[in-house]
Amino acid sequence: DTAVSQTPKYLVTQMGNDKSIKCEQNLGHDTMYWYKQDSKKFLKIMFSYNNKELIINETVPNRFSPKSPDKAHLNLHINSLELGDSAVYFCASSQANGRGGNYNEQFFGPGTRLTVL
Amino acid sequence: QKEVEQDPGPLSVPEGAIVSLNCTYSNSAFQYFMWYRQYSRKGPELLMYTYSSGNKEDGRFTAQVDKSSKYISLFIRDSQPSDSATYLCAMGRNQGGKLIFGQGTELSVKP
Repeated sequence: DTAVSQTPKYLVTQMGNDKSIKCEQNLGHDTMYWYKQDSKKFLKIMFSYNNKELIINETVPNRFSPKSPDKAHLNLHINSLELGDSAVYFCASSQANGRGGNYNEQFFGPGTRLTVL
Repeated sequence: QKEVEQDPGPLSVPEGAIVSLNCTYSNSAFQYFMWYRQYSRKGPELLMYTYSSGNKEDGRFTAQVDKSSKYISLFIRDSQPSDSATYLCAMGRNQGGKLIFGQGTELSVKP
């Protein structure tokens, strides 16, 4: 009964390649997120979607393009991979996006460990 | 200066010790304060959540928020080896759902 799942779990690729990471949640949540965790464990939000609509877009290179085909899926496509993109990428989901003054717990996936050589 | 500062450790304590983990922050707009626990090679999971100032207790865990000092703490009583993990503080404002995380403190509880 995996709540938030990501594929692949590990991704090793060469500089310059294009790769995608997929995320699915079966919690019925409205909002999904992509986070990047660097080698020092620093976790930083990249994007957030609410019902397929982009609501958070941090200062991320435009080589990163999220896509949400439906509210249960949020994929991350990365073009022209660079060494600095090596990190663990976490998908998360929550019931609401925080609007209206309510915070709702974010549930994280297991992460995708990306290594760019 | 980062919005949220957290000592990355590592912190090593003997089993049964009381552990104190802390974060400071600079943005007074933060209203929601969380502690996430992350085991090695896993995703973070929510441990404690507090709205505004005050204390919250859940079993061996106590979270404290002091908004006047912009300081939050997590106390773990009677620490166990199974508590060995990285503990991340996180904060959010009342809209947008965006969380700002601290760097995480790596805790090791030795039997």
